[in-house]
Amino acid sequence: KQEVTQIPAALSVPEGENLVLNCSFTDSAIYNLQWFRQDPGKGLTSLLLIQSSQREQTSGRLNASLDKSSGRSTLYIAASQPGDSATYLCAVKRAMDSSYKLIFGSGTRLLVRP
Amino acid sequence: DAGVIQSPRHEVTEMGQEVTLRCKPISGHDYLFWYRQTMMRGLELLIYFNNNVPIDDSGMPEDRFSAKMPNASFSTLKIQPSEPRDSAVYFCASGPGTDTQYFGPGTRLTVL
Repeated sequence: KQEVTQIPAALSVPEGENLVLNCSFTDSAIYNLQWFRQDPGKGLTSLLLIQSSQREQTSGRLNASLDKSSGRSTLYIAASQPGDSATYLCAVKRAMDSSYKLIFGSGTRLLVRP
Repeated sequence: DAGVIQSPRHEVTEMGQEVTLRCKPISGHDYLFWYRQTMMRGLELLIYFNNNVPIDDSGMPEDRFSAKMPNASFSTLKIQPSEPRDSAVYFCASGPGTDTQYFGPGTRLTVL
């Protein structure tokens, strides 16, 4: 059974700091991995999608990496800003599954202090 | 487009009552997903539709839950009878495929 774990559960950093969020999964047979952002009282917004054949994806100050063999992904946020404060969730999609399903981690709650 | 629309945004009901959550997906999206989010279990997929047809309902917790999509612009998630453990935030999402999903703002359900 695929399990997705995110560490740390919460993180507080001063503005301007570079930071890394971690995601690990138990079954390396994944189709892709996504990082989402969730603001309080709102739904999720997809940030980056990494296909299983890819090693990383970049969007602006965000960079996500994927190491399938070790079952790990990281989300790197450069020069953090107070507006980055949110909960970040990773989710994996199983490979060769006739039925689509995303398995979500429990998220990392990020606070960027001005 | 206004995005995915969910109603109501908040629902408070008493145990045993029927609850109906509603979702209007983004026009043109072929896929619609219902999720539930709780502190204990995180975010879980309950069911998803493709072209109005339910594809996988294995995440629906029990027979008290049912979902329908009578047309491409409307879906409902019904709980009958509701129980306190059903208290959660229920999200609807839609997408042109299974990889790209746009989430609604959610319905916060409290069952007393």
